[in-house]
Amino acid sequence: DAGVTQSPTHLIKTRGQQVTLRCSPKSGHDTVSWYQQALGQGPQFIFQYYEEEERQRGNFPDRFSGHQFPNYSSELNVNALLLGDSALYLCASSLQADYEQYFGPGTRLTVT
Amino acid sequence: AQSVSQHNHHVILSEAASLELGCNYSYGGTVNLFWYVQYPGQHLQLLLKYFSGDPLVKGIKGFEAEFIKSKFSFNLRKPSVQWSDTAEYFCAVENQAGTALIFGKGTTLSVSS
Repeated sequence: DAGVTQSPTHLIKTRGQQVTLRCSPKSGHDTVSWYQQALGQGPQFIFQYYEEEERQRGNFPDRFSGHQFPNYSSELNVNALLLGDSALYLCASSLQADYEQYFGPGTRLTVT
Repeated sequence: AQSVSQHNHHVILSEAASLELGCNYSYGGTVNLFWYVQYPGQHLQLLLKYFSGDPLVKGIKGFEAEFIKSKFSFNLRKPSVQWSDTAEYFCAVENQAGTALIFGKGTTLSVSS
């Protein structure tokens, strides 16, 4: 049973560029959440997708957007990258009726 | 807004020592609480969770946590740590909408053999 997978593993971008990160949820899961984990910090909630809609959003600017596809996979897009966007981006999946979130290995984004 | 505080940033122990990591949360209503662990080079894994019922919950690898509502605390304990417990430990509370986890800043545990 495959767990949560994310791609790419690492990414280096330049300030002002745009980036897309991808996530495939654990088999059977229908809900995907995205978190940003800066160095030395705990993960911070960006948003959650369920039934292809953004269900809730954390305290992140509109430069951060997402999408969920019919197969429940998800993308996180960040526009106009800033140096401060450098972080580990985590995807977590869950079943709508369940509380437990399963995390992927993350994508390490470096903005130079 | 809900928040989680983890008091210990870095804990260093010898093998067989007992462990207690502090966690306090801010919300006074019904809460769902979690401890996650991140081993070096690995992804976040759930250690244990509390939703309701017995305030002493047992998780994987011999870890347990006690929910004390009057103290807004959910401390993690292990009677005897092993070198393999070296990792980053995160306490988290679910938000009121039930859609997100709010994490503390984490505690780095280093266990020497």
